[in-house]
Amino acid sequence: GAVVSQHPSRVICKSGTSVKIECRSLDFQATTMFWYRQFPKKSLMLMATSNEGSKATYEQGVEKDKFLINHASLTLSTLTVTSAHPEDSSFYICSARGLAGNQGEFYEQYFGPGTRLTVT
Amino acid sequence: GQNIDQPTEMTATEGAIVQINCTYQTSGFNGLFWYQQHAGEAPTFLSYNVLDGLEEKGRFSSFLSRSKGYSYLLLKELQMKDSASYLCAVLDSNYQLIWGAGTKLIIKP
Repeated sequence: GAVVSQHPSRVICKSGTSVKIECRSLDFQATTMFWYRQFPKKSLMLMATSNEGSKATYEQGVEKDKFLINHASLTLSTLTVTSAHPEDSSFYICSARGLAGNQGEFYEQYFGPGTRLTVT
Repeated sequence: GQNIDQPTEMTATEGAIVQINCTYQTSGFNGLFWYQQHAGEAPTFLSYNVLDGLEEKGRFSSFLSRSKGYSYLLLKELQMKDSASYLCAVLDSNYQLIWGAGTKLIIKP
């Protein structure tokens, strides 16, 4: 099956610093990658959608200058949390979707294992 | 607006059967997913329905009625490891996944 990796799995950083999270599709080409954040006991909140080689589309209320997304290749997308604050502490999850028909006709998203970010 | 409703929490007994319901109102419909998410982990795919009817996969089954905007996930022979959150998500007309808030299922011995 399709595998998506995320690195790091856990990160603790100080306020004001930047953190980069990598999301890789290991055995398929991900034309579209999604970045979510999830607060405890809450559902997934879509932050942005990125297509390889183009700018990410951010959801309403998500600051694009704070959450920088780069989808430079068909297997790698990165999320950089700039000038992190304690309220940015959350569980960040990426998912990847392959070409329609390549990963089935039902646009399934394959999720990475998530990154637990703690900002002190 | 787009809306997906599912119960916040359910409790069931080991070995029993539980049905988790999901109702939706979305702009377009291209299928409905059920995902399982254990605490602190990412969601994992359980099922996909795009046509009306029941899809069975081992102990888990998923049902869809498009005319009623309704789906359910049926879990049989419950095991303790089934304790998790179950997320209902609908693929809308833009092929974006719209997520429900999830149902936390607690299994008791």
